[in-house]
Amino acid sequence: DIQMTQSPSSLSASVGDRVTITCQASQDISNYLNWYQQKPGKAPKLLIYDASNLETGVPSRFSGSGSGTDFTFTISSLQPEDIATYYCQQYDNLPTFGPGTKVDIK
Amino acid sequence: EVQLVESGGGLVQPGGSLRLSCAASGFTFSSYEMNWVRQAPGKGLEWVSYISSSGSTIYYADSVKGRFTISRDNAKNSLYLQMNSLRAEDTAVYYCARQSSGWRFDYWGQGTLVTVSS
Repeated sequence: DIQMTQSPSSLSASVGDRVTITCQASQDISNYLNWYQQKPGKAPKLLIYDASNLETGVPSRFSGSGSGTDFTFTISSLQPEDIATYYCQQYDNLPTFGPGTKVDIK
Repeated sequence: EVQLVESGGGLVQPGGSLRLSCAASGFTFSSYEMNWVRQAPGKGLEWVSYISSSGSTIYYADSVKGRFTISRDNAKNSLYLQMNSLRAEDTAVYYCARQSSGWRFDYWGQGTLVTVSS
């Protein structure tokens, strides 16, 4: 099975800050990686697919990059409504999710 | 508007069974692959099972293989998950999720809570 790790596990940042989350796969997964946002008590929401493509309707402050084993998710200017847990998900084989990164406002 | 509505969750004893349903609307259900994803309380997301648009191809996570059965009824726009031999570690919110290309889960239901406890 392909294992996914994320760092950090949590972070606090100020409104307007640039926030970066990394996701690492245990083996090469090309660009077969998606990113989701989950707010408390809500279902996950797809933000980024195929490592770097923005899902329709998602604000442009969200972006993704990377390929192979190392991936990055960025919020260019953190907004209060971005408080959530963010998950990466690989699909090179059957899908697996990373453990999540909880983002708070400082 | 795409809608996925899960139902069937509840409290069940270890070793018991439960059948979850997911009612789909707002899109051509028979054209889409579907999945179940679960989330234990306070934990992360875990993919559970996949079914192709026709129902001919099915996959399971190792943690549920042999105990859970996914199925669909395209005439009723519905997805199902039959869960047998339930264990405490199956306690979770179960989401149904529509899959677009490349294992992209683009729409999710609100989830239904399954609690396995004596």
